[in-house]
Amino acid sequence: AQTVTQSQPEMSVQEAETVTLSCTYDTSENNYYLFWYKQPPSRQMILVIRQEAYKQQNATENRFSVNFQKAAKSFSLKISDSQLGDTAMYFCAFMKPQGGSEKLVFGKGTKLTVNP
Amino acid sequence: DAGVIQSPRHEVTEMGQEVTLRCKPISGHNSLFWYRQTMMRGLELLIYFNNNVPIDDSGMPEDRFSAKMPNASFSTLKIQPSEPRDSAVYFCASSVGQGETQYFGPGTRLLVL
Repeated sequence: AQTVTQSQPEMSVQEAETVTLSCTYDTSENNYYLFWYKQPPSRQMILVIRQEAYKQQNATENRFSVNFQKAAKSFSLKISDSQLGDTAMYFCAFMKPQGGSEKLVFGKGTKLTVNP
Repeated sequence: DAGVIQSPRHEVTEMGQEVTLRCKPISGHNSLFWYRQTMMRGLELLIYFNNNVPIDDSGMPEDRFSAKMPNASFSTLKIQPSEPRDSAVYFCASSVGQGETQYFGPGTRLLVL
């Protein structure tokens, strides 16, 4: 079974600075998808970024980018120019769609606080 | 375009009562997922449907839980009888198909007293 590990339960960063959230996963699969979701205090789960394992290029969405290291099974999220609105729980998630359940397997999350 | 719609947003009930949670997926999405979030277990999949057919219900805790999807635009998750340990946030999510991004509803916060 796939597992996702987020080793940083809590992190904080000053506004306008850069922060990196870590995520590692365990799988024997070659094709899969990885995601970062954000959960602000409202509890809404919001997609931040998505990465297909067959793509070597790291995904980027505005201030958010990932460092995908397939051999190391690592998928970190970098937030540049942090804003107060980035304060939230961040969840890393894994999905293996071929021949199996499409379920997302989530890590335990990292609570990020952006300080003014 | 409306996102995933869930109702109710909050539910408080007493142990032993029946609870029904409702979900309307995004129009055109073929897959629908029910997740549960608790402090102890985090986010975990309960069941998911593809084209209204249950595909994976291995996460359904026990017979007290049941889910249906009578048509492409509606699904229910029922707990009967409810217990205090069922207290959690229940999320519904939908996607256009295999391997595609899942979009979440706002969740239903359930408290069983």
